[in-house]
Amino acid sequence: DAKTTQPTSMDCAEGRAANLPCNHSTISGNEYVYWYRQIHSQGPQYIIHGLKNNETNEMASLIITEDRKSSTLILPHATLRDTAVYYCIVRDSSNDYKLSFGAGTTVTVRA
Amino acid sequence: DAGVIQSPRHEVTEMGQEVTLRCKPISGHNSLFWYRQTMMRGLELLIYFNNNVPIDDSGMPEDRFSAKMPNASFSTLKIQPSEPRDSAVYFCASSLRGGRSNEQFFGPGTRLTVL
Repeated sequence: DAKTTQPTSMDCAEGRAANLPCNHSTISGNEYVYWYRQIHSQGPQYIIHGLKNNETNEMASLIITEDRKSSTLILPHATLRDTAVYYCIVRDSSNDYKLSFGAGTTVTVRA
Repeated sequence: DAGVIQSPRHEVTEMGQEVTLRCKPISGHNSLFWYRQTMMRGLELLIYFNNNVPIDDSGMPEDRFSAKMPNASFSTLKIQPSEPRDSAVYFCASSLRGGRSNEQFFGPGTRLTVL
């Protein structure tokens, strides 16, 4: 019962922006979009989240379409340390403790 | 801030033995989670505690698994008896429920191998 669809993998050049897409066409009004990443041999790490407005923090930007059926995580200047599996998660505010991790997108940043 | 602390980092045991994994959440956090990660099933939530009380244990695979949180700064996940299919990386995470983002902070994980 996947709520999100992400590409399996993508490559990105070091220093360039990495744009990671996510489809969540069945998202409902009270569900947030969260992004986490998992660097090899580490625990997942929170990146950013949003409801309907675009969000930016020190790590990334999150662009959510007006119909909220898809979003894009933007890493503005990818570095080799950004190589990781990136998870897009739709999270219900009524069960706000639940994070359902799918397969994610394996992002490889190349020099 | 030391982050979430888990021990041991690696555990190798034989089938039938008892295994105890330990977790110290971030001070001040009121929610604690145990996850399991395998290649086949990905990252799965096993159990969620809020204010030291188990709220959702629907992800605990079977009676061989048990988790406790005797106080706000310590939790254990026990497997008795262990089986080879329990081999996985077990993560503990904590969060401040009601905080701005409900962000979960994950520990480094315990890699369990059951022979």
